[in-house]
Amino acid sequence: AQSVTQPDIHITVSEGASLELRCNYSYGATPYLFWYVQSPGQGLQLLLKYFSGDTLVQGIKGFEAEFKRSQSSFNLRKPSVHWSDAAEYFCAVGNIYNQGGKLIFGQGTELSVKP
Amino acid sequence: GAVVSQHPSWVICKSGTSVKIECRSLDFQATTMFWYRQFPKQSLMLMATSNEGSKATYEQGVEKDKFLINHASLTLSTLTVTSAHPEDSSFYICSAEGLAGDGVETQYFGPGTRLLVL
Repeated sequence: AQSVTQPDIHITVSEGASLELRCNYSYGATPYLFWYVQSPGQGLQLLLKYFSGDTLVQGIKGFEAEFKRSQSSFNLRKPSVHWSDAAEYFCAVGNIYNQGGKLIFGQGTELSVKP
Repeated sequence: GAVVSQHPSWVICKSGTSVKIECRSLDFQATTMFWYRQFPKQSLMLMATSNEGSKATYEQGVEKDKFLINHASLTLSTLTVTSAHPEDSSFYICSAEGLAGDGVETQYFGPGTRLLVL
């Protein structure tokens, strides 16, 4: 079955500390992987994506993610968190050539940032 | 680039009325758009895939006669919630599929529409 798991429902980090949000996936075809961020009452903003090539991808706002095929993971990282990073983060997997590009989303991880 | 708008941003209506939500891709053309529903503190649930010029494809369990989708142009898709009831109250988000600079089809999301049915 195709699925995305974000094991951490809620994470709290101190401002300036490093961050890692976990994402594991199960997907039958070549996975295209995405991280989106959602602020309260807003839509989703694309942070970064992986579809091929270098397994370490850089995104906006200082985020990066590493694709590890052997672990079926695509964890999101940031070396120093800012208070404005507090939001809900969603990992998603999909492939335009499979199922018409539909994305499968994880349950989301809510990030809180302590001053 | 790749901006998607939704209108209205929030709407309150009486039970039994119909509500139309518009989703527009402002600076790109989108053959495919998606409609999602999101409950508080939960992930996005795909309702349907909307393809320009053809009928929408609905996910299992989504009533096509209740949630009417029209994708009449390459920049506009509409979702009409017919005979709305309080249980239809939710946050509805659309996305439009566009070709990013890296050549990968990517979903770009609208800001969402909050619907409250009284």
